[in-house]
Amino acid sequence: KAGVTQTPRYLIKTRGQQVTLSCSPISGHRSVSWYQQTPGQGLQFLFEYFSETQRNKGNFPGRFSGRQFSNSRSEMNVSTLELGDSALYLCASSLRTGGAMSSGANVLTFGAGSRLTVL
Amino acid sequence: QKEVEQDPGPLSVPEGAIVSLNCTYSNSAFQYFMWYRQYSRKGPELLMYTYSSGNKEDGRFTAQVDKSSKYISLFIRDSQPSDSATYLCAMSPFTGGGNKLTFGTGTQLKVEL
Repeated sequence: KAGVTQTPRYLIKTRGQQVTLSCSPISGHRSVSWYQQTPGQGLQFLFEYFSETQRNKGNFPGRFSGRQFSNSRSEMNVSTLELGDSALYLCASSLRTGGAMSSGANVLTFGAGSRLTVL
Repeated sequence: QKEVEQDPGPLSVPEGAIVSLNCTYSNSAFQYFMWYRQYSRKGPELLMYTYSSGNKEDGRFTAQVDKSSKYISLFIRDSQPSDSATYLCAMSPFTGGGNKLTFGTGTQLKVEL
C-alpha cells in the first residue's frame, strides 16, 4: 500500500514568488492535513480538508491556502513568499476526521514533506 | 506559553539504557495523546496513541498518561542506535472539530554504541 506522497521534495524560491505543493494521500483516505515544521516552532497546523471542504484552519495568514480535489489529492499554495516561510511542509492523511479515535481511523500518516527554502 | 511543552534535548544515552521522554500540556480539552518518531529528512511516523490515563505498552515502548497532572511520558526500554531520532508528542481533543493535532517541539535522542 503506497504511503502519502508529496511533491516536490525540495524547492528554492525567492521572496515575493508563490509556490504550490502537492499531496497524494493513502488510497481510501479522505482527510488531508497540512503542517509547517520549523526548528523554532516545531510542527504547526495549517489546515485540514475532508471531502473537498476545509474542516479546520490554523493561525496562519491568508497567504497560505489549500484545496482538495474529488480524488482526495490536495494542494497548498503560499503566495508572496517571505524568508520566514522557509520550512518543511508536511502533509498527513487519515481515513476520516473528527470523532473518537479508538478505531484508529483518525490516525494521521505523514508524508516525507516538501522542504521549501526562500531566498 | 505554548499549549504543549517538550524538552528539546538533545538527549544522549548508551545502548541498552531506558529512555524517558516527557511532555506537559495546559489544555484540558486534549483527550488523545500520541507519540511520533521522526528520522532525519523523513516525515513523522506514529509510534503509539492512547486515550485514557494509565500505561499502554507496545514492545519496547510504553506510553504513560496522567491527565490529572497534564503530563505524558514515553519510555523506551533496551534502547538501540536505531532509536536515534526526534520524538514528538502530539495531542488532540478529536471532537467534531476534526483531526487537528497540537505537537510538542520534539526531543532529539541519540543512542550511542
